[in-house]
Amino acid sequence: DIQMTQSPSSLSASVGDRVTITCQASQDISNYLNWYQQKPGKAPKLLIYDAFNLETGVPSRFSGSRSGTDFTFTISSLQPEDIATYYCLQYNNLPNTFGQGTKLEIK
Amino acid sequence: EVQLVESGGGLVTPGGSVRLSCAASGFTFSSGWMRWVRQAPGKGLEWVGRIISKTHGGTIDYAAPAKGRFTISRDDSENTLYLQMNSLKTEDTAVYYCTTSYSGDGRDHWGQGTLVTVSS
Repeated sequence: DIQMTQSPSSLSASVGDRVTITCQASQDISNYLNWYQQKPGKAPKLLIYDAFNLETGVPSRFSGSRSGTDFTFTISSLQPEDIATYYCLQYNNLPNTFGQGTKLEIK
Repeated sequence: EVQLVESGGGLVTPGGSVRLSCAASGFTFSSGWMRWVRQAPGKGLEWVGRIISKTHGGTIDYAAPAKGRFTISRDDSENTLYLQMNSLKTEDTAVYYCTTSYSGDGRDHWGQGTLVTVSS
């Protein structure tokens, strides 16, 4: 199985800060990686698909990038409504595997 | 608008069975690759399994914890996805989400989830 190592597991930042979350795949997954936002009691919401592509309707402060097997999710200017847990998902191989999640809090 | 509505969750005793349903609308269900994902209370997301469209072979794949106990199926005439879960264990307690991808890229859509609690 492909392991997705997501870091950090938690993060505290101020409104307006640039926030970065990374997922490292244990082997090549090409661009087959999504990023999700999950708020308490809600289903995950797709933000970024195929590593870089912003889902329709998602604010442009969210972005994704890739360098080899390292994937980065960035919020360019943190907003109060961005408080949530974020997950990456690889779907290049079965079983699909998620990162462990990053809980984002406001300082 | 794509809608996925899960149902069938509830309290089940260990060793028991339950069948979850996911009613789909807003897209051509028969073309959708469907997936079940679960989330134990306070934990992360876990892929359970998937069924691809019949036009692509209808293959079904399971995660290791689900193999031999869970069965994924679909009824394209009813636009419904199913997850039959047998021999349930306490560690199967989770919210179960159905998701779909049908656009040929990584975009997917999720239902609101249904909670299955396995407890005596």
